[in-house]
Amino acid sequence: EPEVTQTPSHQVTQMGQEVILRCVPISNHLYFYWYRQILGQKVEFLVSFYNNEISEKSEIFDDQFSVERPDGSNFTLKIRSTKLEDSAMYFCASSEQGLPYEQYFGPGTRLTVT
Amino acid sequence: AQSVAQPEDQVNVAEGNPLTVKCTYSVSGNPYLFWYVQYPNRGLQFLLKYITGDNLVKGSYGFEAEFNKSQTSFHLKKPSALVSDSALYFCAVRDSRINTNAGKSTFGDGTTLTVKP
Repeated sequence: EPEVTQTPSHQVTQMGQEVILRCVPISNHLYFYWYRQILGQKVEFLVSFYNNEISEKSEIFDDQFSVERPDGSNFTLKIRSTKLEDSAMYFCASSEQGLPYEQYFGPGTRLTVT
Repeated sequence: AQSVAQPEDQVNVAEGNPLTVKCTYSVSGNPYLFWYVQYPNRGLQFLLKYITGDNLVKGSYGFEAEFNKSQTSFHLKKPSALVSDSALYFCAVRDSRINTNAGKSTFGDGTTLTVKP
């Protein structure tokens, strides 16, 4: 069964550094999403992406964040200058069509900012 | 605005007993409702969804959920729990009136289900 993959599984970085989290969505999916989950807390929407542009973003997704689909397979989340409070599990998701189609989630990247 | 509430942080049941994990929602229009399960150190896994039609929705692993419009609820149920059902369960909602298909789902806080042998 096809699945969403994410790399790395764990990223440790120092405050102020840039990080890029990578995702490979399911190949025939057209809609892409990033969510994050701070340890023990709820899953929070960050951004959705369709047709090479951002469709919707949350208030969390400020100027420090950006997304890109640099080629036909990868979908990346960049955090320009990490803060301690960016420490969380970041999940990529994709869906074949837009909602109400279900989203398929990757296993996540645990980001630790020290 | 759309929101979802899972009133119980934790649900404990004995193996073989029925289980219910509660979810209530708030949207302006009609809801699209989803249940996801998260096992330790794993991503979220889709269980089932309600879009329209029959109020009782059947999903993976023997789970089902009942959409109740008057009570704005979408409780997850299973007639006979297994120890392997122990996991974190998330309810999510999406307002069907929002006119972008690529918009967000709003997730609940999650409910930890523990099934004891």
